[in-house]
Amino acid sequence: KNEVEQSPQNLTAQEGEFITINCSYSVGISALHWLQQHPGGGIVSLFMLSSGKKKHGRLIATINIQEKHSSLHITASHPRDSAVYICAVNRGTSGSRLTFGEGTQLTVNP
Amino acid sequence: DTAVSQTPKYLVTQMGNDKSIKCEQNLGHDTMYWYKQDSKKFLKIMFSYNNKELIINETVPNRFSPKSPDKAHLNLHINSLELGDSAVYFCASSPGTWGQPQHFGDGTRLSIL
Repeated sequence: KNEVEQSPQNLTAQEGEFITINCSYSVGISALHWLQQHPGGGIVSLFMLSSGKKKHGRLIATINIQEKHSSLHITASHPRDSAVYICAVNRGTSGSRLTFGEGTQLTVNP
Repeated sequence: DTAVSQTPKYLVTQMGNDKSIKCEQNLGHDTMYWYKQDSKKFLKIMFSYNNKELIINETVPNRFSPKSPDKAHLNLHINSLELGDSAVYFCASSPGTWGQPQHFGDGTRLSIL
């Protein structure tokens, strides 16, 4: 079993819908990252958080340390949000080493 | 101005050959990484260097040898390429060694014939 689990694996939405992607982890962490990988292949860091909530534009990331769970929300989704969203964690004792989830493929239809 | 640049973007070669992938970052970061993304898009750390010093070395065949001539460059040399080496290899960098956002290159797609 992977130390970082994401759900769902695949998600299809209509433009304008509110989207939630979930990430659960089973190890102690110092930080959790949300990454976005576009169809062209490039990877972009969206958020790094160790507590609470962060917001950037239409994206919101939350983390519950006690429950070992994080969510990525997208409000008013748009076809350009179609991408793979990847959750990754810095394990508490491993510094900068990232352990990745398997990713969630999001498709937003017009 | 590209922050983390990898070359080449595509690499097609035959089994048994030796090849190198280069990575350069102009962000002034101290730490650089190599990741492998398999056919199921699963990412896994391979190596990390901090200020030219190897700090992470995962269970990777020793056919893979990273080299960091300075803190802005981290190259990956692969000897005796095998079919299972086909993947996308990503270089990344971060300011330091503890839980900071990482900046990724665009990836190098390696295909072994």
